[in-house]
Amino acid sequence: GESVGLHLPTLSVQEGDNSIINCAYSNSASDYFIWYKQESGKGPQFIIDIRSNMDKRQGQRVTVLLNKTVKHLSLQIAATQPGDSAVYFCAENTGSSYKLIFGSGTRLLVRP
Amino acid sequence: EPEVTQTPSHQVTQMGQEVILRCVPISNHLYFYWYRQILGQKVEFLVSFYNNEISEKSEIFDDQFSVERPDGSNFTLKIRSTKLEDSAMYFCARGLAGGPETGELFFGEGSRLTVL
Repeated sequence: GESVGLHLPTLSVQEGDNSIINCAYSNSASDYFIWYKQESGKGPQFIIDIRSNMDKRQGQRVTVLLNKTVKHLSLQIAATQPGDSAVYFCAENTGSSYKLIFGSGTRLLVRP
Repeated sequence: EPEVTQTPSHQVTQMGQEVILRCVPISNHLYFYWYRQILGQKVEFLVSFYNNEISEKSEIFDDQFSVERPDGSNFTLKIRSTKLEDSAMYFCARGLAGGPETGELFFGEGSRLTVL
């Protein structure tokens, strides 16, 4: 069945350090894997995606790694800032209408 | 790309009452979605709407739920007879103008539904 899950519910990091958020998935048929950020009281906000035929993709201060062998996805945030504090969801798009299946979320807390 | 606007931001209703949640996406987009998020839980897919028809729906989207795009712009989610467990944040989302294949969706800020 479809399942996307996260290893850690909360991650606390020092401002300026790098953050790594991990995610496991079970549906190998998805074309894209995506990371979303959700700040308190707001809707999910797209961060970065990676196609299933890639293993790494970089954005501005963020890098997504995909390991299809172990069905693992990670989001790396460089030089974590207070504004990065939020809940991060991994997701995969699947189905004929490209719906998103979300994982259960990791809360990132940035210590000043 | 322009944002998605949802109304109301918060609605409180009695169990058994009908609720309509509204979303204003951009009229030239084809894919629209409703998701819900029970407090403290993950975001769950409800239904996708493509070319003015339901494309996919989840097990959550039972006969109590319906969606419409009555005037080509507004996109509504109706819950006919609300239950306590319908209390959640409901998010409308739209795909990119070129299609949602990559998984990049634009979400509204949500409508919080509280069923008493």
